[in-house]
Amino acid sequence: DAKTTQPTSMDCAEGRAANLPCNHSTISGNEYVYWYRQIHSQGPQYIIHGLKNNETNEMASLIITEDRKSSTLILPHATLRDTAVYYCTLIQGAQKLVFGQGTRLTINP
Amino acid sequence: NAGVTQTPKFQVLKTGQSMTLQCAQDMNHNSMYWYRQDPGMGLRLIYYSASEGTTDKGEVPNVSRLNKREFSLRLESAAPSQTSVYFCASTPDINTEAFFGQGTRLTVV
Repeated sequence: DAKTTQPTSMDCAEGRAANLPCNHSTISGNEYVYWYRQIHSQGPQYIIHGLKNNETNEMASLIITEDRKSSTLILPHATLRDTAVYYCTLIQGAQKLVFGQGTRLTINP
Repeated sequence: NAGVTQTPKFQVLKTGQSMTLQCAQDMNHNSMYWYRQDPGMGLRLIYYSASEGTTDKGEVPNVSRLNKREFSLRLESAAPSQTSVYFCASTPDINTEAFFGQGTRLTVV
């Protein structure tokens, strides 16, 4: 049980920012929000994670609401290679990494 | 640094045959995982090993964590329902990113 809810699919135009939402209304205080993506049938790839503060790395930005009940992954300038299934999941301590159904993001030319 | 390596990449089995899926990581990670992904579906965790010499209960009984580096999965008397892509992953510690292999694509006919 991944305890997160994501839209099934989304579209975004190439070059625009892709904003992927994730709801985690039952998140507990020590649970981190993690994002992964899976391009075609490859192995999943880690993107970013955070606890309370917003985070940014070379791939994406993660915005977590103040109440921590939802978050948004932002790909600032989406390219065709960002077409993938994006997974949002919660991890606390030594919890196992479990995935939900994810959001299928399609970047259109 | 090869990361997580899975062998074989592809396998076709006849119903009733057996095989072992191999996974090795060279990053000195403690935790290792096996997932399966059925056609058109998301990733499902099927086995977890928190550290060398330990395995958790999972839906597949025959897993082996012989050492820190290797985590194998034995499929006995394969059935068509086990047709799937099997992914192995590892994480160094708690609250850290997971690294995935490229998968073993298994077809049972």
